[in-house]
Amino acid sequence: AQSVTQLGSHVSVSEGALVLLRCNYSSSVPPYLFWYVQYPNQGLQLLLKYTTGATLVKGINGFEAEFKKSETSFHLTKPSAHMSDAAEYFCAVSVVSAGKSTFGDGTTLTVKP
Amino acid sequence: ETGVTQTPRHLVMGMTNKKSLKCEQHLGHNAMYWYKQSAKKPLELMFVYSLEERVENNSVPSRFSPECPNSSHLFLHLHTLQPEDSALYLCASSQAMGYEQFFGPGTRLTVL
Repeated sequence: AQSVTQLGSHVSVSEGALVLLRCNYSSSVPPYLFWYVQYPNQGLQLLLKYTTGATLVKGINGFEAEFKKSETSFHLTKPSAHMSDAAEYFCAVSVVSAGKSTFGDGTTLTVKP
Repeated sequence: ETGVTQTPRHLVMGMTNKKSLKCEQHLGHNAMYWYKQSAKKPLELMFVYSLEERVENNSVPSRFSPECPNSSHLFLHLHTLQPEDSALYLCASSQAMGYEQFFGPGTRLTVL
């Protein structure tokens, strides 16, 4: 079985500041890891994913995440926040061989001017 | 149309009505999902279909009835709903179970 924990249901940053959204996972086999973003009144959209290979993955809108196996983490970062980054962010873990995906509870990002 | 579409986008229904939500994916995917997203609550997986077979049903009340007539279409039939069923209902698809999911825009359901 796999699980995912997003630390902090709400994160607030100033425009131009670093964005750091935390995600820790648990999986008995090598997982696939995903970050999704949801803007108000919309569905979720894939930001980036880690499957195998390079542990630093880059996504859309300047976001990136690093897979750290030793820390069982997949934190999402962006060097400089923009007002348009305000949204809800979901981390997800999958075990493809079992066909199972689990989503975190989400983190709401607020960007202050 | 591309991606995953959902209709209607908004639905208001009484507790005695019967309605259906429709989802269509234009991605050639083999797995489709229904999620419920309520305010202040985590995303709840309701049903999963793989190759048109239901493979997961997460203790969802029988007033919600899914149907997957083919790999491109997914329906959620609703009857005698309760006010607490008011939520955003999201449909998603993926190449296969466990792969990244592509979401539709959702149907905002209000039960009066």
